[in-house]
Amino acid sequence: GAVVSQHPSWVICKSGTSVKIECRSLDFQATTMFWYRQFPKQSLMLMATSNEGSKATYEQGVEKDKFLINHASLTLSTLTVTSAHPEDSSFYICSARGGAFSYEQYFGPGTRLTVT
Amino acid sequence: KQEVTQIPAALSVPEGENLVLNCSFTDSAIYNLQWFRQDPGKGLTSLLLIQSSQREQTSGRLNASLDKSSGRSTLYIAASQPGDSATYLCAVKGTGGGNKLTFGTGTQLKVEL
Repeated sequence: GAVVSQHPSWVICKSGTSVKIECRSLDFQATTMFWYRQFPKQSLMLMATSNEGSKATYEQGVEKDKFLINHASLTLSTLTVTSAHPEDSSFYICSARGGAFSYEQYFGPGTRLTVT
Repeated sequence: KQEVTQIPAALSVPEGENLVLNCSFTDSAIYNLQWFRQDPGKGLTSLLLIQSSQREQTSGRLNASLDKSSGRSTLYIAASQPGDSATYLCAVKGTGGGNKLTFGTGTQLKVEL
């Protein structure tokens, strides 16, 4: 149990375009989802926390207008990188918490974004 | 602000060795500490979770200890195997609201034949 999926697993987009990444909890209801960014050989940095049905809470230094997060249902959260630039190229990982496993976060496999 | 440091940053050992990975954190007011494994280009796999009231957790060849007062945790891997090669991350959850995890910088482990 406690499986989290992400789609796509990798994506290449042109500078100036927007790209959407999906995070799904497959076998539990995720009351809270988290979005992290990881640069090469660096650790995970929390970008934002989203609770189902409410606005996301962004960490300091993360542009909320650039990284749009929607948590419209208990099994799906989306991260949209708007007007992407090459410096947005990174590995984006989501995690989910809720249901019977509410004390632990379960992580998705990550999405590699490359902006050319 | 919580800061998590892992030493060493990289480690290469021959197969069969026992090894210890270290994690230190600056704020001892934690809810729990978790060790993860990350394979190249992949997401995170949870290995062990230690609640703040616990001293250690064991799973197979892995043993994690926690000394909250000194801000330290260790991950002990017994009889290392090439399949253990990965990056190991520790993360602490603070007692404040939001259930935020703060990650360390990781230890990149390579176990050689």
